[in-house]
Amino acid sequence: GAVVSQHPSRVICKSGTSVKIECRSLDFQATTMFWYRQFPKQSLMLMATSNEGSKATYEQGVEKDKFLINHASLTLSTLTVTSAHPEDSSFYICSARERTVLYGYTFGSGTRLTVV
Amino acid sequence: GESVGLHLPTLSVQEGDNSIINCAYSNSASDYFIWYKQESGKGPQFIIDIRSNMDKRQGQRVTVLLNKTVKHLSLQIAATQPGDSAVYFCAEGGNNDMRFGAGTRLTVKP
Repeated sequence: GAVVSQHPSRVICKSGTSVKIECRSLDFQATTMFWYRQFPKQSLMLMATSNEGSKATYEQGVEKDKFLINHASLTLSTLTVTSAHPEDSSFYICSARERTVLYGYTFGSGTRLTVV
Repeated sequence: GESVGLHLPTLSVQEGDNSIINCAYSNSASDYFIWYKQESGKGPQFIIDIRSNMDKRQGQRVTVLLNKTVKHLSLQIAATQPGDSAVYFCAEGGNNDMRFGAGTRLTVKP
């Protein structure tokens, strides 16, 4: 079946630095990728939707200059948390929708970001 | 705005019993629904899905019921096992987005 590889699985960074998270679709082309954030004991909240080759669409309240999303190819999307602060510590999860499959969503395994 | 929510935040069942997890959604335009299971520190794991043109769908030990009249979705787990202990999310959307409900923590007692 479709697999989405997300890296790194865990990252610890210092406050003020930037962190890049990668999401790759293996063996399929992802027209659209979604980025979610999940705080402890809460649900997954959609942050942004990115379509290959175009700018990401951000949800209300999500700072696009802080959470940079790049979807340069049909198999790779990246999320860069810029100037990270402790309040950005969270679980970040990507999802890729397979281009040729209706409702074909596949999730990555998530990235635990801790900002110290 | 439109949202997806759950009736029960926690559910505790005895091993071997059946579990029912409920979800209410408010976006009548949603045409696709998924139930996910999430274990601690891991990403969501697909359990079962259903399209809006169906009322019921069965998988292995799981059944999803969709009532579009009252915008209600439920997940039934038969003969619940300790390995079923996790947080369960319903998600609703279409072909261009998928949004999650609040989640229900299922605890299975031996």
